[in-house]
Amino acid sequence: DAGVIQSPRHEVTEMGQEVTLRCKPISGHDYLFWYRQTMMRGLELLIYFNNNVPIDDSGMPEDRFSAKMPNASFSTLKIQPSEPRDSAVYFCASSRETRNTIYFGEGSWLTVV
Amino acid sequence: QKEVEQNSGPLSVPEGAIASLNCTYSDRGSQSFFWYRQYSGKSPELIMFIYSNGDKEDGRFTAQLNKASQYVSLLIRDSQPSDSATYLCAVTILTGGGNKLTFGTGTQLKVEL
Repeated sequence: DAGVIQSPRHEVTEMGQEVTLRCKPISGHDYLFWYRQTMMRGLELLIYFNNNVPIDDSGMPEDRFSAKMPNASFSTLKIQPSEPRDSAVYFCASSRETRNTIYFGEGSWLTVV
Repeated sequence: QKEVEQNSGPLSVPEGAIASLNCTYSDRGSQSFFWYRQYSGKSPELIMFIYSNGDKEDGRFTAQLNKASQYVSLLIRDSQPSDSATYLCAVTILTGGGNKLTFGTGTQLKVEL
């Protein structure tokens, strides 16, 4: 089985530009999670979906961040406009249930200059 | 108080020794507990999960859970240099939107030759 697939793996962009990160969860997984990891704050949950519906977006830092899941096999996390403090690794993860193991993608390494 | 707390380390142990990694959590209602390993530049990968009080063993790894003390630990026997990584404790916390998997900031383990 293919794991969680994320793109792009690396992105360097200028402050003020729009950034779109993409994720394909593991087939059959009903839950999809977006996490952000930094040295200072560790791994933070931004938002998660159940059956394509956003359940908890309390971790989304501000209105510049938005996430969508138009179907069971695709999700996006968008930052507009991007700022240097958004530089981090963004992980997408999926699971069958919230109580079960979640599986991470390889991450998208974002640098905003 | 952080929801999940870990000592950041680094924890240094000699090869062949037992490494003991500890984690405390704040929500008494938490029901699922996970240990993830993360190598530098890689995504977190699951090592073990535990749901009930007591010990759970898997090869060289033992997870220990004490819900009364809100404490979970991971023991690594016969530590190898390949065990050098950051170990993330994760706990499900019930929110209005359902169970949310919350991570500690991780403990860096160094196994020295």
